Amino acid sequence: AQSVAQPEDQVNVAEGNPLTVKCTYSVSGNPYLFWYVQYPNRGLQFLLKYITGDNLVKGSYGFEAEFNKSQTSFHLKKPSALVSDSALYFCAVRDGGATNKLIFGTGTLLAVQP
Amino acid sequence: DAGVTQSPTHLIKTRGQQVTLRCSPKSGHDTVSWYQQALGQGPQFIFQYYEEEERQRGNFPDRFSGHQFPNYSSELNVNALLLGDSALYLCASSLAQPGLAVGTDTQYFGPGTRLTVL
Repeated sequence: AQSVAQPEDQVNVAEGNPLTVKCTYSVSGNPYLFWYVQYPNRGLQFLLKYITGDNLVKGSYGFEAEFNKSQTSFHLKKPSALVSDSALYFCAVRDGGATNKLIFGTGTLLAVQP
Repeated sequence: DAGVTQSPTHLIKTRGQQVTLRCSPKSGHDTVSWYQQALGQGPQFIFQYYEEEERQRGNFPDRFSGHQFPNYSSELNVNALLLGDSALYLCASSLAQPGLAVGTDTQYFGPGTRLTVL
């Protein structure tokens, strides 16, 4: 079965510093990987996805993610964190089969200190 | 371009009651998925509708049922509510794109409906 793991419940970073939110995956077949962000009491906003091609994927709000097949990782990164980036981040993988059902990780809370 | 909309935003019910949640997909989208997000957890897939039929179902009991209408909007119904059904219910829409591999399309989520069961 497909799965993703987010090993850190919380990541703390100072404003202006680079940030990384980690995600590892386990899939059979080609991995289709996604990152979403959730602000308090809100739905999920799509940031970026990896389907195929370049291992560095650029997304919304200055975020990017690096796909590493040998390490089965898909870490989310941003060169310079903003206080407004503070939110809950979810990594997800497509489950396979005949639909685009997503399997989500448990989420990582990003706290950016001013 | 309107995004995914859901109604109501909040709902309070008591155990044993029934509830209906509604979702309008993003303009041009034809596929609707429902997810349940319990407090402190990631979203869990309930089911997906395409062409007015349930195409895939997650590990949820039959108390959870749904419907998709010809205009692609969707409803989620939950019968015999339990305390454990308290959660944020998220609707996501996407567009199946011919010629592309299944699963490459992006799901866009609505703001959710917060259901509280007392």
